[in-house]
Amino acid sequence: EAAVTQSPRNKVTVTGGNVTLSCRQTNSHNYMYWYRQDTGHGLRLIHYSYGAGNLQIGDVPDGYKATRTTQEDFFLLLELASPSQTSLYFCASSGGGQDTQYFGPGTRLLVL
Amino acid sequence: KTQVEQSPQSLVVRQGENCVLQCNYSVTPDNHLRWFKQDTGKGLVSLTVLVHENDKTSNGRYSATLDKDAKHSTLHITATLLDDTATYICVVGDRGSALGRLHFGAGTQLIVIP
Repeated sequence: EAAVTQSPRNKVTVTGGNVTLSCRQTNSHNYMYWYRQDTGHGLRLIHYSYGAGNLQIGDVPDGYKATRTTQEDFFLLLELASPSQTSLYFCASSGGGQDTQYFGPGTRLLVL
Repeated sequence: KTQVEQSPQSLVVRQGENCVLQCNYSVTPDNHLRWFKQDTGKGLVSLTVLVHENDKTSNGRYSATLDKDAKHSTLHITATLLDDTATYICVVGDRGSALGRLHFGAGTQLIVIP
């Protein structure tokens, strides 16, 4: 079964802080995704990638950067964190198409 | 505008009872629909995927239907267990390729009590 890990699991920062969320998948999937999950909303896509060096903009990209350094590793960067970015962040990977996405355990971010 | 609506928002049932969760959507095109289970504080785990008009699937105590004409899906859970307590999320994929996007519902929170 696909394994997707995220770190840190919990993070607290202050407004204007710099945060990097990490994601690693070990199932040789080409596609990786970053989502945020907020109460009352479905998961919303921030950025995604088709492979190392590739980056695609999702539906809610403002305030976020991402980088796919290898097939396994996908990072989400918040360079000037704001309280509106307080959320639960999920990373996922898949083989694409109708293949299911495999989700990591999530990172809970609090921006004070 | 929300394209995937789930109901009820929350549901409490007694262990052993059956329950039905609803998903209505307006996503077009609607290539496939997947139900996920999300335990509290954890990631989403796929339960089943429906692809064709009038598809029906079964996965143990979980069964699902899809009516593409009505853009409607149901998830049935039979003989609920305490471990079924979770949020169930309906997701519609608008294409069967990597170019497609997934559209997530906000979920139904199911609580199973003894």
